[in-house]
Amino acid sequence: SQKIEQNSEALNIQEGKTATLTCNYTNYSPAYLQWYRQDPGRGPVFLLLIRENEKEKRKERLKVTFDTTLKQSLFHITASQPADSATYLCALERDTGRRALTFGSGTRLQVQP
Amino acid sequence: DAGVIQSPRHEVTEMGQEVTLRCKPISGHNSLFWYRQTMMRGLELLIYFNNNVPIDDSGMPEDRFSAKMPNASFSTLKIQPSEPRDSAVYFCASTWGGDQPQHFGDGTRLSIL
Repeated sequence: SQKIEQNSEALNIQEGKTATLTCNYTNYSPAYLQWYRQDPGRGPVFLLLIRENEKEKRKERLKVTFDTTLKQSLFHITASQPADSATYLCALERDTGRRALTFGSGTRLQVQP
Repeated sequence: DAGVIQSPRHEVTEMGQEVTLRCKPISGHNSLFWYRQTMMRGLELLIYFNNNVPIDDSGMPEDRFSAKMPNASFSTLKIQPSEPRDSAVYFCASTWGGDQPQHFGDGTRLSIL
């Protein structure tokens, strides 16, 4: 069955460092992958989308990579700030050609000042 | 843009009662999704609609759950009768479709006593 794995352990880093979050998947061949941010008591907010033919995507301090051979995506936040503290979710296309997403369980990031 | 609007934000009710959750998607979006989020199971897709038509309801846990989308600007998720294990945060999301980002509401926190 399709499975998405994100580090369930919280990631604690010092302000200014680069945070790297991992998303691994099995039994999938998604055409794209998305990353979302979720703050307590709020709904997820879209951050970045990367397609299967793209190796890397950047947006300001964010960078996402997508390795379809390893079946893995890495999400980087450079020069991290306490305001980046949140839970980050990866999501993959549920079925080829469909619009629904399957979400990972998320990784909680805590940036210490 | 008002974003996706969900109501109520919080609902506390007794087991056996009917619960109705409401969602107003972003104007112009043609796909709508209902999710449930718990600590144990994460964010799970319950059902989604495309152009007001239910496409995939395989995530609806039981016959006690039903969802409707009578028009492009309104959807409901109903639980009847409710049970304590239905306690969770229920999110609604909408999108233009395809690989476009999903826009989430802030959810309804449901507690069944």
